Amino acid sequence: GENVEQHPSTLSVQEGDSAVIKCTYSDSASNYFPWYKQELGKRPQLIIDIRSNVGEKKDQRIAVTLNKTAKHFSLHITETQPEDSAVYFCADPPTGSARQLTFGSGTQLTVLP
Amino acid sequence: KAGVTQTPRYLIKTRGQQVTLSCSPISGHRSVSWYQQTPGQGLQFLFEYFSETQRNKGNFPGRFSGRQFSNSRSEMNVSTLELGDSALYLCASSLARTSGGATSTDTQYFGPGTRLTVL
Repeated sequence: GENVEQHPSTLSVQEGDSAVIKCTYSDSASNYFPWYKQELGKRPQLIIDIRSNVGEKKDQRIAVTLNKTAKHFSLHITETQPEDSAVYFCADPPTGSARQLTFGSGTQLTVLP
Repeated sequence: KAGVTQTPRYLIKTRGQQVTLSCSPISGHRSVSWYQQTPGQGLQFLFEYFSETQRNKGNFPGRFSGRQFSNSRSEMNVSTLELGDSALYLCASSLARTSGGATSTDTQYFGPGTRLTVL
């Protein structure tokens, strides 16, 4: 969409704890919400995505929840491990522009051993 | 399947020069999108090409241009380089499926990027 706000910008958690990153979007017609993980010096990689017809999607330790009424979606990582340390980006494509992603500002997640 | 590839990986240019970056999508993918990543502005959309046509364009000056070839490979060009153009340029490919005339939102897979430094 036109605007995606992502919070927090930095997040430190102890290994084994959970981490939650939240994004808020403005376009009520948005229907696809991917999350990308970017390790230092590497390319962004899709870790999970959700479409607007479901409220939650899980993949092992990662889950994404979507609240269409409040226009926000969140990434949940449980049992965090040091290799989860990276920058995480949410994204939202503008309606009608399926392959034009508007990215959030990113969250630097640090998992402390 | 081979992933998205980009060449060159690193490039150093001086102000006023021009540069061409290349992106080869995953085999079978028909759409290529380009993004600029900087510490200050984050990840910003430049443009997207599908079937050799620019379909969407971000808010960048006309110095930034691109094209797509019949094999879906894409190039982007930046003319009259400025210091502020120093960035990681990422391309992403997607299938771009169509059904009943509508294009679905496909997963975008990113290349490793080209690190451009303008001196």
